[in-house]
Amino acid sequence: GNSVTQMEGPVTLSEEAFLTINCTYTATGYPSLFWYVQYPGEGLQLLLKATKADDKGSNKGFEATYRKETTSFHLEKGSVQVSDSAVYFCALIGSSNTGKLIFGQGTTLQVKP
Amino acid sequence: DTGVSQDPRHKITKRGQNVTFRCDPISEHNRLYWYRQTLGQGPEFLTYFQNEAQLEKSRLLSDRFSAERPKGSFSTLEIQRTEQGDSAMYLCASSLGGGVPDTQYFGPGTRLTVL
Repeated sequence: GNSVTQMEGPVTLSEEAFLTINCTYTATGYPSLFWYVQYPGEGLQLLLKATKADDKGSNKGFEATYRKETTSFHLEKGSVQVSDSAVYFCALIGSSNTGKLIFGQGTTLQVKP
Repeated sequence: DTGVSQDPRHKITKRGQNVTFRCDPISEHNRLYWYRQTLGQGPEFLTYFQNEAQLEKSRLLSDRFSAERPKGSFSTLEIQRTEQGDSAMYLCASSLGGGVPDTQYFGPGTRLTVL
């Protein structure tokens, strides 16, 4: 079945550091890929998405590229801020598009001033 | 667009009691989803509706769980005879349906604690 694997957290960075959170997936066909973010005390918010191979999703300085050859969708940001501290979830919707999201376990990011 | 709302935000109950949660989706959204999230894990799919029809249910949804969306608008999730293992955050999401991808928007969740 479809699955998503994220790098273990927590990830602790200093402000302005470069961020990478690894995400790999297992799926048949061509899933759509997502990153969601959960800020402390808030609900899940869509951060970015990509629907086909080589698509790059971007938002708020974050980027992720859909790499079918490596089945990956790594999240990157060039310069993190304290306000980026949150839990980040990689997720997919399978190509059958029932709409069911399959999530990874989440990666906690803590950015220190 | 007022977003997805859920009620209550927190529920504490004793083992064996029944609980019911409500979700109000974004008004024009046809699809409504329920997920469960336990501490340190990503959300897990429970069930979803296309309008009033319940189209898919996870194996996680035991016989003690039932969900309805009677008029294709709000939805309720009921857990009968709660167990301590039911303690979790219950998330609702909605989407337009049919899009590629079909982007889901999440509510704030209902945190259930079973004592």
